[in-house]
Amino acid sequence: GPKVLQIPSHQIIDMGQMVTLNCDPVSNHLYFYWYKQILGQQMEFLVNFYNGKVMEKSKLFKDQFSVERPDGSYFTLKIQPTALEDSAVYFCASSLRGAQDTQYFGPGTRLLVL
Amino acid sequence: GDSVTQTEGLVTLTEGLPVMLNCTYQTAYSTFLFWYVQHLNEAPKLLLKSSTDNKRTEHQGFHATLHKSSSSFHLQKSSAQLSDSALYYCALYNTNTGKLTFGDGTVLTVKP
Repeated sequence: GPKVLQIPSHQIIDMGQMVTLNCDPVSNHLYFYWYKQILGQQMEFLVNFYNGKVMEKSKLFKDQFSVERPDGSYFTLKIQPTALEDSAVYFCASSLRGAQDTQYFGPGTRLLVL
Repeated sequence: GDSVTQTEGLVTLTEGLPVMLNCTYQTAYSTFLFWYVQHLNEAPKLLLKSSTDNKRTEHQGFHATLHKSSSSFHLQKSSAQLSDSALYYCALYNTNTGKLTFGDGTVLTVKP
């Protein structure tokens, strides 16, 4: 089936540094999402993105977070500066016409902030 | 706001027995309901989805029926297999906000 790729698979950084998580969504999809999953806890919605804009974001999407998809390339999540509580697995997902369509998830990026 | 409740955090079954994972939800808007399955160290994958009241939807031996009167979308399977061991999320899509809300998840462990 359709695949979503995420780069890198793992990232370890020092608190206060910037990190960019990259997502290569399904090629014809128009809606993109980021989710956060802390080890042993539930999946939580961060943000969705369509037509170059953030459509909806949760309270977890702090001011230090930003998303973009410049010129149809990777859909990125940037955290600047990082904090210890940002350590989690971040999943990217994409769908064709909105979240009512099937969302295809990437394998996740495991972020550890020291 | 929207909420999804999965009452069981952990379900352990013997292979061959029936599976039922509970999901209830609250929303003021039109919805789609989903079941996602996440195997260890893998990405979540869609298992089932529905927006039609009282219509059974099936995939890979699992089935669920959306009951709007009781706000439920329970996941069932007649006979559990070892490979069904995974984390199962029920999720609600709000057509007004465009947001997908996940439940806490249920870890299903199937033993021989």
